[in-house]
Amino acid sequence: GAVVSQHPSWVICKSGTSVKIECRSLDFQATTMFWYRQFPKQSLMLMATSNEGSKATYEQGVEKDKFLINHASLTLSTLTVTSAHPEDSSFYICSARVRQDEAFFGQGTRLTVV
Amino acid sequence: AQTVTQSQPEMSVQEAETVTLSCTYDTSESDYYLFWYKQPPSRQMILVIRQEAYKQQNATENRFSVNFQKAAKSFSLKISDSQLGDAAMYFCAWGPYGNKLVFGAGTILRVKS
Repeated sequence: GAVVSQHPSWVICKSGTSVKIECRSLDFQATTMFWYRQFPKQSLMLMATSNEGSKATYEQGVEKDKFLINHASLTLSTLTVTSAHPEDSSFYICSARVRQDEAFFGQGTRLTVV
Repeated sequence: AQTVTQSQPEMSVQEAETVTLSCTYDTSESDYYLFWYKQPPSRQMILVIRQEAYKQQNATENRFSVNFQKAAKSFSLKISDSQLGDAAMYFCAWGPYGNKLVFGAGTILRVKS
């Protein structure tokens, strides 16, 4: 199956700093990537849709200036959490709908803001 | 808006027994896929089974099978011969062709030895 590599798997940062999370498609080209956020024992909530070569589409209630998404190539999408605060601590997962019948997920990134 | 509902926050099953996880969804679209994903403690999302909406035949994958009722918008997952390794969070998801997935709240499955 297709491989989506997400990095880092966990990160701790200080409040007020920015953190970048990378999501790479290793053996396929991903024109679209989806970024989800997951709180402990809760569901995956879509934050934004990342489109190669164009601006991301954000879900209602997601601050686009706080969660910057860049999809500069067909194999790399990045999510930058800017001026992170403790409430941004969460699990972030990227996904690509490689085929109609399956979505592949990165390993996820556990972000802790202290 | 499309929604996916999993009404069982937690389920328990004895090893080797059968358990059914329920899922309902709401959509006005006619072409879509339904999925069950497993999320173990590692939090890596693992595809368990999928069903294309236009196919009437229920999907099966070894010990996993679904009961897909399109008119009722119901998509339950049956796990037969439950194993300790089946313990995880299970998410039901809906997705139109090539688009984002909408997830249910999840069901924590505990397997007792």
